[in-house]
Amino acid sequence: ETVMTQSPATLSVSPGERATLSCRASQSVSTNLGWYQQKPGQAPRLLIYGASTRATGIPARFSGSGSGTEFTLTISSLQSEDFAVYYCQQCNKWPPTFGQGTKVEIK
Amino acid sequence: EVQLVESGGGLVQPGGSLRLSCAASGFTFSSHWMIWVRQAPGKGLEWVANIRQDGSQKYHVDSVKGRFTISRDNAKNSLDLQMNSLRAEDTAVYYCARGYSTGWVDYWGRGSLVTVSS
Repeated sequence: ETVMTQSPATLSVSPGERATLSCRASQSVSTNLGWYQQKPGQAPRLLIYGASTRATGIPARFSGSGSGTEFTLTISSLQSEDFAVYYCQQCNKWPPTFGQGTKVEIK
Repeated sequence: EVQLVESGGGLVQPGGSLRLSCAASGFTFSSHWMIWVRQAPGKGLEWVANIRQDGSQKYHVDSVKGRFTISRDNAKNSLDLQMNSLRAEDTAVYYCARGYSTGWVDYWGRGSLVTVSS
């Protein structure tokens, strides 16, 4: 199975600053990569799919990039509601697999 | 408004069985492939199984293959997960979810906690 590795495990950022999250695949997943946000006690929410396409209703401050094995989620200016855990997920090969998550916390 | 509401979770002994159900509303259920995803306490997400729109094809991850079965009833707008031979490592919140495009999840239920313990 394709192993997804996210870094860092925890990212401490001040509100208004830029956050950059990384996701690496153990083999190429082309652009079949998505990002989800999960807040405590809530279900995840789809942010980005196809590596760079924002899902419906997702603010423009969220952007995704990358292809192959290296991907990045950028939050251009962190808002209070953005502090959460972020997961990447590949759907290039069965089974779909998720990274272990990056927690974005307030600095 | 899309709604996915899970039911059927609870405490079960190792080796036991449980059936999760998901009631879907707010969209044309028969037009979407559906998924079960689980999350162990304090851990990440794990894809469990998915099923095609008409139920003709089902896929289960290796860790549950032969023990869990996904099914759907399009007439009742419902999705099920039959879980047999449960193990402690199956303890998790199980999310009913809607598939989008080639492999994403665009809507999730609130989740149903399954605890496997003696």
